[in-house]
Amino acid sequence: DAGVTQSPTHLIKTRGQQVTLRCSPKSGHDTVSWYQQALGQGPQFIFQYYEEEERQRGNFPDRFSGHQFPNYSSELNVNALLLGDSALYLCASSPSGGGNIQYFGAGTRLSVL
Amino acid sequence: GQQVMQIPQYQHVQEGEDFTTYCNSSTTLSNIQWYKQRPGGHPVFLIQLVKSGEVKKQKRLTFQFGEAKKNSSLHITATQTTDVGTYFCPAYGSSNTGKLIFGQGTTLQVKP
Repeated sequence: DAGVTQSPTHLIKTRGQQVTLRCSPKSGHDTVSWYQQALGQGPQFIFQYYEEEERQRGNFPDRFSGHQFPNYSSELNVNALLLGDSALYLCASSPSGGGNIQYFGAGTRLSVL
Repeated sequence: GQQVMQIPQYQHVQEGEDFTTYCNSSTTLSNIQWYKQRPGGHPVFLIQLVKSGEVKKQKRLTFQFGEAKKNSSLHITATQTTDVGTYFCPAYGSSNTGKLIFGQGTTLQVKP
């Protein structure tokens, strides 16, 4: 039973570019959340997808967008990259309903030069 | 939304010493979860506490949920170098739909 998988593992971009990160949830999970973790900080919630719709959103600009597909996998898109977007991007999946345990993927390390 | 404060932010211990980290909330929590993130790794779920005064043990780790459900602690007995990492006790957002609000956590260093 595969856990949460994310791709790519590492990515280097330059300012102004756009990036797409991908996540496949754990088997049986239909809810996907995305977090940004800067060095030395705790993960910060970006948004959550359920039934192919954004259900909740954290305090992130519109440059951050996402999508969930019918198979529950998800993408995170970031446009017009800034140096400050350099971080570890974590995807977490959970079964539907509130208050459930979240299983994190290994993350994508994004460096913006 | 709910927010949980965690102390200390950093802790260095000698291998074999005990370690405790505390989480405090200004509001009553429906439940609390603990995660561990190893250096270079990702958060890994450790445990969830739901009941008032609940105590759960996992080998050398003891987790407690306060009677008022506003605080929690994680105690590690006789630390080992494998305990190194950052421990988080995120709170759920007010809608309790799975949005986790993380603080900075407690980073534990263990000297062999």
